Amino acid sequence: AQSVTQLDSHVSVSEGTPVLLRCNYSSSYSPSLFWYVQHPNKGLQLLLKYTSAATLVKGINGFEAEFKKSETSFHLTKPSAHMSDAAEYFCVVSEGNYKLTFGKGTLLTVNP
Amino acid sequence: GAGVSQSPSNKVTEKGKDVELRCDPISGHTALYWYRQSLGQGLEFLIYFQGNSAPDKSGLPSDRFSAERTGGSVSTLTIQRTQQEDSAVYLCASSLQRSSGNTIYFGEGSWLTVV
Repeated sequence: AQSVTQLDSHVSVSEGTPVLLRCNYSSSYSPSLFWYVQHPNKGLQLLLKYTSAATLVKGINGFEAEFKKSETSFHLTKPSAHMSDAAEYFCVVSEGNYKLTFGKGTLLTVNP
Repeated sequence: GAGVSQSPSNKVTEKGKDVELRCDPISGHTALYWYRQSLGQGLEFLIYFQGNSAPDKSGLPSDRFSAERTGGSVSTLTIQRTQQEDSAVYLCASSLQRSSGNTIYFGEGSWLTVV
């Protein structure tokens, strides 16, 4: 069975500083992994996805994530936070089927 | 259309009434999904359609919930005799086919409040 743990429910950073949102997963197979972002009162937008190609995945808005099989991690990073990055971020795993399993989400706050 | 479209965007209903939520997937997408997002529960899978058939309804929380899809396109999620615990955001998503490599695109959701 697949599962996802987002290690922080809330992360607060200052504008211009790095962002790190942590995600660990559990999967019996070679999973596909995704990060989605949800701005207030908006739907889910795909930031990036890993599907067994390059382990370092670049996404939109300067975000990237690295798949580390040995650590079963897929942490999301960005070198410099912008005010518009404030949102909730979801780490998602899929085991080669249609079902997505979502983490509980990490709320990112960006302070001026 | 350009994206997944859901209606209504907001719905307030009285306990015991039936509601219908509609989803228009991206044109050409054969796979369609319904998820529910509620406080404290995160995002829960409800049902998956491939074409007009639903091979997996395992996430529907009770027999008050049903869904159908017609013409391989529009889907309707129906909740009968609504209860306060049904209050949530109901998200529809679609993808080209049922494969983990395919990106799943979400709509903006239907916010349901049962009073």
